[in-house]
Amino acid sequence: SQQGEEDPQALSIQEGENATMNCSYKTSINNLQWYRQNSGRGLVHLILIRSNEREKHSGRLRVTLDTSKKSSSLLITASRAADTASYFCATVASGGSYIPTFGRGTSLIVHP
Amino acid sequence: ETGVTQTPRHLVMGMTNKKSLKCEQHLGHNAMYWYKQSAKKPLELMFVYNFKEQTENNSVPSRFSPECPNSSHLFLHLHTLQPEDSALYLCASSQLHGGSSGNTIYFGEGSWLTVV
Repeated sequence: SQQGEEDPQALSIQEGENATMNCSYKTSINNLQWYRQNSGRGLVHLILIRSNEREKHSGRLRVTLDTSKKSSSLLITASRAADTASYFCATVASGGSYIPTFGRGTSLIVHP
Repeated sequence: ETGVTQTPRHLVMGMTNKKSLKCEQHLGHNAMYWYKQSAKKPLELMFVYNFKEQTENNSVPSRFSPECPNSSHLFLHLHTLQPEDSALYLCASSQLHGGSSGNTIYFGEGSWLTVV
């Protein structure tokens, strides 16, 4: 299956610490996206990284992509209680239908 | 506000009822989606519509019937559902083959469905 698998499944940290989540996938991709979901709400797109990019930043978010290892990581620096949410990676396969396939997500809890 | 509006937000229905979920997108996108999200499972893609034409149906039981009258509106008609169909149903839209956007998906807030 193309879907990304996030690791860890759950992460609990203190406010101010950094949070790192990883995503692994199996086949070639066109791009990889990270989404966030607050409890009981819809998913919100955070950042997209293309297969020819290695790193992207957006505010306190940093995403890396290693296509040789078929993996990506999402780093949230100086976390806040408001960052508590589930984080999903979604992969868009090369030469495919352009529809992202989502993993199970990482549940992040940031304690104040 | 994501530009994708779903109604109702919560729905409780009996197994013999017929109900519908509604979705409207105000983003000018050409594709709309229904996803199902159950606890401890990956997000499941149910249906995709591209310019009102259904392009994906991921082996969804016939008790779920989608309708896309135009590129801004999407419905999910529900009939004789089972308790295991209880889940969060998410509507989404995107600009398929959208060049620089890389097919970013915009989700609604979801409709919580409970089948009793």
